[in-house]
Amino acid sequence: EAGVTQSPTHLIKTRGQQATLRCSPISGHTSVYWYQQALGLGLQFLLWYDEGEERNRGNFPPRFSGRQFPNYSSELNVNALELEDSALYLCASSLARLAGRETQYFGPGTRLLVL
Amino acid sequence: AQSVTQLGSHVSVSEGALVLLRCNYSSSVPPYLFWYVQYPNQGLQLLLKYTSAATLVKGINGFEAEFKKSETSFHLTKPSAHMSDAAEYFCAVILNTGFQKLVFGTGTRLLVSP
Repeated sequence: EAGVTQSPTHLIKTRGQQATLRCSPISGHTSVYWYQQALGLGLQFLLWYDEGEERNRGNFPPRFSGRQFPNYSSELNVNALELEDSALYLCASSLARLAGRETQYFGPGTRLLVL
Repeated sequence: AQSVTQLGSHVSVSEGALVLLRCNYSSSVPPYLFWYVQYPNQGLQLLLKYTSAATLVKGINGFEAEFKKSETSFHLTKPSAHMSDAAEYFCAVILNTGFQKLVFGTGTRLLVSP
C-alpha cells in the first residue's frame, strides 16, 4: 500500500513569490494535516483538512492557506513568501476524525527554500 | 494545555548499549502518545503509540515505551542500539478535544558510536 506522497521534494522561491505544495494521502484516509519543521522552531501544526473542509489551523498568518480536493488530496499555498518560511513542510494523513484520535502517517516532506 | 517535554536534545550511546529517550507529558486527561523517528532528510515514521490499552507498548525496530501515569512519562527504550538507530526521535501527544492536532516535543537526536 502506498504511503503519503508529497510533491515537489524541493522548492526554491524568492521573497514575495507564492509556493504551492501538494500531498496525496494514504488510500482510505480522509484527513490531511500540514506541519512546518523550521530550523530552531521544531514541528508546528499548520492546518487540518477533513472531508474537504478546514477543521483547525495553527498559529500561522492567513498567507498560509490550503484546500482539500474531492479525492482527499491537498494543497498548501504560501503567499508573499518570507525568508523565515524556509522549512520542511510535512503532510500527514489519517482515517476519518469521527473515529477518534487517529494515528497520523507522514509523507517525506517538501523542503522549501526562500531566497 | 497539553504538551510534551523531551529531556536531552542529544543522547549518545555505544552500539549494543541500552537506549533510553525521555518524554514527559502534561495532560489533565489520559492522553494519546506517540513516538516518531526522523532519519536525515526524510519525513516522520511512526515507531509506536499509546492509546490507553496496554501500558507497555511495543513498536517497530525493537523499540518499546512504557506509559507511567504516576510519573506522567512515556520513555522510549531499546535494549541494544544499532548504528542504524541514529536519527532524531520525537515524542508527541494528540489533543483530546477532537481537534486531531499533534503536539510535538523538541526532539532528541540519538548518536550511536561503534
